[in-house]
Amino acid sequence: EPEVTQTPSHQVTQMGQEVILRCVPISNHLYFYWYRQILGQKVEFLVSFYNNEISEKSEIFDDQFSVERPDGSNFTLKIRSTKLEDSAMYFCASTRLNSNQPQHFGDGTRLSIL
Amino acid sequence: AQSVTQLDSQVPVFEEAPVELRCNYSSSVSVYLFWYVQYPNQGLQLLLKYLSGSTLVKGINGFEAEFNKSQTSFHLRKPSVHISDTAEYFCAVSRSGNTPLVFGKGTRLSVIA
Repeated sequence: EPEVTQTPSHQVTQMGQEVILRCVPISNHLYFYWYRQILGQKVEFLVSFYNNEISEKSEIFDDQFSVERPDGSNFTLKIRSTKLEDSAMYFCASTRLNSNQPQHFGDGTRLSIL
Repeated sequence: AQSVTQLDSQVPVFEEAPVELRCNYSSSVSVYLFWYVQYPNQGLQLLLKYLSGSTLVKGINGFEAEFNKSQTSFHLRKPSVHISDTAEYFCAVSRSGNTPLVFGKGTRLSVIA
């Protein structure tokens, strides 16, 4: 069964540095998402992306965050100047353009900011 | 806006015993309802979903959930759990297809031999 793949599985970065988290969604999916889960807290929506533009974003997704689909397969989340509170597990998800289709999640990238 | 409450943060249960994980939601519009499971060091895997129709939904690994509109609940049940069911379980809602999921805080199910 096709899967959403995320790289790296663990990223350690110094505070203030830029980080890019990468995702390869399922190939025939058209909607893409980023969620994050701070340790011990609930999974929170960051942003959704369709047709090469942001569809929705939460209040968490401020100016330090950006998303991009640089080619036909990758979907990236960039954090421009990382803060300690950005430490979390980041999940990518994708789904078809169909109201009955659930979102499929990757295994996540654990981001640790030092 | 939607919100999800999972009333139990941890549920310990003996192997082969039944289990119910509780989920209540709040929404001013109709919602789709989901249960996801997260095994250690893995992503979120869909267990089951309710979109419309029959209020009893069957999912993978022997789990089922019942949608109760009057109680705004979507509790997850399994009649006999296995050690391998030990995981974190998340209830989630969305307004419609392709809209973002709103998750509960999760319930950690620990199955004891």
